[in-house]
Amino acid sequence: GNSVTQMEGPVTLSEEAFLTINCTYTATGYPSLFWYVQYPGEGLQLLLKATKADDKGSNKGFEATYRKETTSFHLEKGSVQVSDSAVYFCALVSYGNNRLAFGKGNQVVVIP
Amino acid sequence: EAGVAQSPRYKIIEKRQSVAFWCNPISGHATLYWYQQILGQGPKLLIQFQNNGVVDDSQLPKDRFSAERLKGVDSTLKIQPAKLEDSAVYLCASRDGQGNEQYFGPGTRLTVT
Repeated sequence: GNSVTQMEGPVTLSEEAFLTINCTYTATGYPSLFWYVQYPGEGLQLLLKATKADDKGSNKGFEATYRKETTSFHLEKGSVQVSDSAVYFCALVSYGNNRLAFGKGNQVVVIP
Repeated sequence: EAGVAQSPRYKIIEKRQSVAFWCNPISGHATLYWYQQILGQGPKLLIQFQNNGVVDDSQLPKDRFSAERLKGVDSTLKIQPAKLEDSAVYLCASRDGQGNEQYFGPGTRLTVT
């Protein structure tokens, strides 16, 4: 079945630091990959997505590249802000299924 | 465009009581999902509707959970009777027929004591 694995534990970093959150997946076929963000007290919001190998999704300074050879979709941002503090979820959906499989999420805390 | 609406936002009940959650999807979205998000975990799909029909309820604990979408628009999710392990955030999402992006509501935080 489909599954998503995110790196363990919360991430705490200073403002303007470089952020990387690792995500690897197992899936049948060729899934679409997503990063969702959940700000405190709010619902999940789609941050970015990629639908085929080598695609790069980007939004709000965040980027992630669909790497089929390593089955990865790592999230990066070059210079984080305090407002980026949130929980980030990696997810995938397989063609014809539309059932989103989520990772456990990573709490990101950006300190001024 | 209005987003996915859910109510209530918070609910506290005692174990063995019943509770119901309501979801109004984005207008025109045929597909509706209910997810359970336990603290520290990613959301887990409970049930998926296409219009008023159930597409996938394989992960719904049917002995205590039920859901309906009678007119293909609003949906309700019910738990009867509730257990302590049902404490979680219940998320509703909807999707139109074009892409595979799901739009999420703010969720209902349920605490069972």
